[in-house]
Amino acid sequence: QQQVKQSPQSLIVQKGGISIINCAYENTAFDYFPWYQQFPGKGPALLIAIRPDVSEKKEGRFTISFNKSAKQFSLHIMDSQPGDSATYFCAASMRGNFNKFYFGSGTKLNVKP
Amino acid sequence: DTEVTQTPKHLVMGMTNKKSLKCEQHMGHRAMYWYKQKAKKPPELMFVYSYEKLSINESVPSRFSPECPNSSLLNLHLHALQPEDSALYLCASSQEGGGGEQFFGPGTRLTVL
Repeated sequence: QQQVKQSPQSLIVQKGGISIINCAYENTAFDYFPWYQQFPGKGPALLIAIRPDVSEKKEGRFTISFNKSAKQFSLHIMDSQPGDSATYFCAASMRGNFNKFYFGSGTKLNVKP
Repeated sequence: DTEVTQTPKHLVMGMTNKKSLKCEQHMGHRAMYWYKQKAKKPPELMFVYSYEKLSINESVPSRFSPECPNSSLLNLHLHALQPEDSALYLCASSQEGGGGEQFFGPGTRLTVL
């Protein structure tokens, strides 16, 4: 059973546009929700993360929106740039489980100039 | 120092070879992870070490043998691999138990001939 479902699988956005990636989870014990950015041939790097006690977190052009009742969270990239072209993974984890991450399936973002 | 290092960057091996992947971190993290990542897929957890003890083994074939010599080092010993084991192998570390960011290394690109 896939614990975290991510959509869309791929996304094409024009430069300056807004990129939106969505994730949904089932396990209400999850209490940490990160987004990772991965460039080809590189390891994933944390972009932004949220805990369920807040509904939104913003860092520069990146915002996480969190809906606890719907068990959904999303990544918004404002003013998308070609350098944002990468694969994005959402994940979820819970305390007391060796910080094991449950990853979404990934979204390949292509920002066209 | 918030870096996880991995060596080698690339490795080509035959099915009868024995090789090892190495990972190092100096962030004082007590949880370390091995992941396998195939193209266009999320990282797939293989092993978790917590306080130098193997805590999670995700039913990984015995041809993969992890080792944690001390709190900063993590090895993955490879023997009699199959071509389908070709992938990007990622190491990560985190604070144990409380949940939070996993710091990923750049990975080792493994090709099994």
